[in-house]
Amino acid sequence: DQQVKQNSPSLSVQEGRISILNCDYTNSMFDYFLWYKKYPAEGPTFLISISSIKDKNEDGRFTVFLNKSAKHLSLHIVPSQPGDSAVYFCAASRPFAGNMLTFGGGTRLMVKP
Amino acid sequence: NAGVMQNPRHLVRRRGQEARLRCSPMKGHSHVYWYRQLPEEGLKFMVYLQKENIIDESGMPKERFSAEFPKEGPSILRIQQVVRGDSAAYFCASSPPPTTGNEQYFGPGTRLTVT
Repeated sequence: DQQVKQNSPSLSVQEGRISILNCDYTNSMFDYFLWYKKYPAEGPTFLISISSIKDKNEDGRFTVFLNKSAKHLSLHIVPSQPGDSAVYFCAASRPFAGNMLTFGGGTRLMVKP
Repeated sequence: NAGVMQNPRHLVRRRGQEARLRCSPMKGHSHVYWYRQLPEEGLKFMVYLQKENIIDESGMPKERFSAEFPKEGPSILRIQQVVRGDSAAYFCASSPPPTTGNEQYFGPGTRLTVT
């Protein structure tokens, strides 16, 4: 039972344009959401997070939006840069669950120069 | 200022051997998590430890796998009698005592290949 899903395995975007990565979840107990970026042969790197009490969080070029009623979150990258090319994972956690993160399957973003 | 360190980075074992994966958390972090990533999949939680305590091992296979985080030294993930299906990337993450945020910081991973 996949509680966090990233339905787009890959996304290709032109440099300078907006990249939008999507994530859906099924467990309404999740109260904290995170995005990680991963390059090949490296560990995931934390990008940005959002608490369920908010609907938006922004950090530089990265903005995460949360729609609780739709159980959907998205990561916007503006403007996209070739160095953003990586696999992006969304993850979620819930209270009193040992702080474990539940990850989606990842979306491979390719930013073309 | 070292981040999360894992060694070895690559480990090759024959079926039936034991694999030991080590993880040193970031300085000041007392919470360690292990995740496994199979090819073309996301990361799957295995176990959550604090010093000398296993807090949550709900993602750990019941047999052959064990984890520890001793008072001194790194956290160890041990896989006994490895099988081909254990081939994966194993990532360790650490965090300070969790508050309202659950950011975990990951090491570079150990890629285990079972031949």
